[in-house]
Amino acid sequence: GAGVSQSPSNKVTEKGKDVELRCDPISGHTALYWYRQSLGQGLEFLIYFQGNSAPDKSGLPSDRFSAERTGGSVSTLTIQRTQQEDSAVYLCASRPPWGAKGYGYTFGSGTRLTVV
Amino acid sequence: GIQVEQSPPDLILQEGANSTLRCNFSDSVNNLQWFHQNPWGQLINLFYIPSGTKQNGRLSATTVATERYSLLYISSSQTTDSGVYFCAVGGNQGGKLIFGQGTELSVKP
Repeated sequence: GAGVSQSPSNKVTEKGKDVELRCDPISGHTALYWYRQSLGQGLEFLIYFQGNSAPDKSGLPSDRFSAERTGGSVSTLTIQRTQQEDSAVYLCASRPPWGAKGYGYTFGSGTRLTVV
Repeated sequence: GIQVEQSPPDLILQEGANSTLRCNFSDSVNNLQWFHQNPWGQLINLFYIPSGTKQNGRLSATTVATERYSLLYISSSQTTDSGVYFCAVGGNQGGKLIFGQGTELSVKP
């Protein structure tokens, strides 16, 4: 697609429920990143996928968070047993092969998650 | 891990004014990018600039890697420049980026 697509754009869930957030990166982009942004804050790194390499999971805040990337394309971020502190905007970004077609990261519009 | 500090945290300008935003980082980096987040939340990549100087229209950026800082210059500011400007750095090319807390810019007509 023309840009990074994230769905849903908004999600309200009850505390304790599981949620899945989806990211569809730009075609041909080999790297994919998940970040989250709490109200009025900067971006917090969560996880990074690069091709077939093992993902960098160093930013996942707890074992309730997991992510997968199927077929080197679409990625799903899953949050189990949601807590109120999980409320944030979850942003996905993708990037072309380093140097081949540029270096810039392209972000999606995000999923605003509200846990009530 | 790498620490990123941006200054000032907030900035109010009159349309037409110039401004300089600063980003200090605590360790050597191989990746430094500037982003603009508009009032609707969309993040746009402005520059990839781990060293040197680049210009794009009214915006330019300079990174002095040896002194661990980067500057973003906005000239002849417009109301559409409003939003939050983030500096983000990474130790590895193409890897994760660590974001600063941003500079919130408001340009008044």
